Amino acid sequence: QVQLQESGPGLVKPSETLSLTCSVSGGSIRSYYWSWVRQSPGKGLEWLGYIYYTGESNYNPSLESRVTLSIDTSKNQFSLKLTSVTATDTAVYYCARAGLSGKYVLDYWGQGTLVNVSS
Amino acid sequence: DIQMTQSPSILSASVGDRVTITCRASQNINNWLAWYQQKPGKAPKVLIYKASTLESGVPSRFSGSRSGTEFTLTISSLQPDDFATYYCQQYESYSTFGQGTKVEIK
Repeated sequence: QVQLQESGPGLVKPSETLSLTCSVSGGSIRSYYWSWVRQSPGKGLEWLGYIYYTGESNYNPSLESRVTLSIDTSKNQFSLKLTSVTATDTAVYYCARAGLSGKYVLDYWGQGTLVNVSS
Repeated sequence: DIQMTQSPSILSASVGDRVTITCRASQNINNWLAWYQQKPGKAPKVLIYKASTLESGVPSRFSGSRSGTEFTLTISSLQPDDFATYYCQQYESYSTFGQGTKVEIK
């Protein structure tokens, strides 16, 4: 059974960089697309981007200038960096896997981690 | 950007009811649409992809359909476990989600 676990600081100061890592267990990180999705408190879902084990990546155009995804196949992990954060970046951040149904259909998710942006 | 407009925002229903949720895309997305269920404090769970294909393990009371740019999620007979928030997701161009439909107990 594939499991995903997000880790990283729960509090980030405005203008700084938010960094999160997703650890994948129960399966290889190869051969699947891996995404980050966030959900602001009481709001809907926002797809941030995906990365493939080859390094191929694709980002939400509205955030593309601030988002970078990376992947470490030796550790079975992938990561998110979001620069120049503001209070509007406060959200629960989920990592997720896209299965065989396509690059964007997310069949396994982490439990989510709340990141507050505040001084 | 492709916008996804879901309706209604809140739906009150009883166990056994037939429930329909609609998602309209701002432009043609072909069949590149998925539906997710989310319960409070939990990650979303995929129910349907490619507009009408049921994800493995999802009960058959869930179904999806498409008419042009309008997509529908139907629950044929609402069960207690189905009270949750439902989101549509387009993946024709990048990916965007609808704003959600909360199905609550009437």
